Formats: sequence, structure tokens, C-alpha cells
Amino acid sequence: SQQGEEDPQALSIQEGENATMNCSYKTSINNLQWYRQNSGRGLVHLILIRSNEREKHSGRLRVTLDTSKKSSSLLITASRAADTASYFCATRGSNYKLTFGKGTLLTVNP
Amino acid sequence: EPEVTQTPSHQVTQMGQEVILRCVPISNHLYFYWYRQILGQKVEFLVSFYNNEISEKSEIFDDQFSVERPDGSNFTLKIRSTKLEDSAMYFCASTPGQGGAGELFFGEGSRLTVL
Repeated sequence: SQQGEEDPQALSIQEGENATMNCSYKTSINNLQWYRQNSGRGLVHLILIRSNEREKHSGRLRVTLDTSKKSSSLLITASRAADTASYFCATRGSNYKLTFGKGTLLTVNP
Repeated sequence: EPEVTQTPSHQVTQMGQEVILRCVPISNHLYFYWYRQILGQKVEFLVSFYNNEISEKSEIFDDQFSVERPDGSNFTLKIRSTKLEDSAMYFCASTPGQGGAGELFFGEGSRLTVL
């Protein structure tokens, strides 16, 4: 079983619309993080939410965490063409490693 | 702004050859990682390194792989005898204290192509 599975796998929207991506996980976590990856580039950290937090905001990003359902969502408001990228959730348990999901490919059409 | 740097950006090698991928983590960071991403697939954990030793490794990180921090600044990943299936993008990452629980700072990756 996979820890950190995003859905949808791909999402295509128009500029100005909101984009919502979901992540589910299976084991208990210390925190959950979202990363962005432009094609062929490294991953860039977007936001971290701790297991005792329910919601967090950063600019146009809003992350929610529901530990009872083992799920998280990332909302990007007022999307721009430059938001086109893959978005990954990653979970950290009690150990050192961060476990990534398969990602959502977001395409924002101008 | 400090960043994680990786070299080479792209390496092509023949099957069976040894490869060393190099990383310079951010200077005051304490936890170091290697991840890999096969084209179009998920980002997979390979190994974490803290206090000059491996703290955790995945099933992928078998005897063909090793890591080293030889001089207090570089962090290397060695693949002793490359296989075709080692072709992937390899990412180095680092994080400061907090028990390694914070955000990871990734390099731009080293693309390894095994022929």
C-alpha cells in the first residue's frame, strides 16, 4: 500500500479558477507537506501542516488536514499559468524519511 | 539564498560501471537524504543520513549503493555496478535540526542514464 496518494492524477483548469488536490495516507503522521515540481526540476517545498493542525494558509495556498480520515487537501486559489507543475504530498511519521505520493499534474491554461 | 547543489546534472554510463553523484547540502543542515524519481513516476526515498551515519534506508538501497560525507560539505551517493533500472533522476535533500521533521530542501537533481 502507498503512503500519500494524491488525486486526481491530472487536473486541467483555466487561469483564474481554483485548483483542489487531495492526498490520502495510511499510517499515523508527524506532519504532512506539499511540494511542487516543475518539469525536470527539483522539488520545492510549499507548506507543512502538523498533525495537530487542521488548516494552514500561505498566500494563495490553503491546506487542510483531517487525521481522522487520513487525508489532506491543497487548494490553490486564483490559479495562474505559472502554477502549472506537479504537486506532491509527503508524509513524515516518527522516522527520518519523508514519503511522497505519486503526485497531481496540474495544468493551468491561459 | 542558500541552496542544495548537485553534480553532475546529467551522467550517461554503461551498465556495470560505477557512478558517484555529488551533493553539497546547505551548510548548517544536519540531515541529508537521497531520493530518486524514475521518469514520470513517484519520488522514492533511498536513504537518510545523520551524524555521519545512515539513519534509515529503503529496500531499493541495497549493497550496490553507498553514501558518504567525506569532508563535512559534500554528500555523495555511489552506485557500484549500475543496472539499466538505475536510470532515474536522483535528488539530494537536506534539512536543519528539528529532528529532521521540517521541510526538505532539494537540489535540482542528477539525471542518470544507464545504457
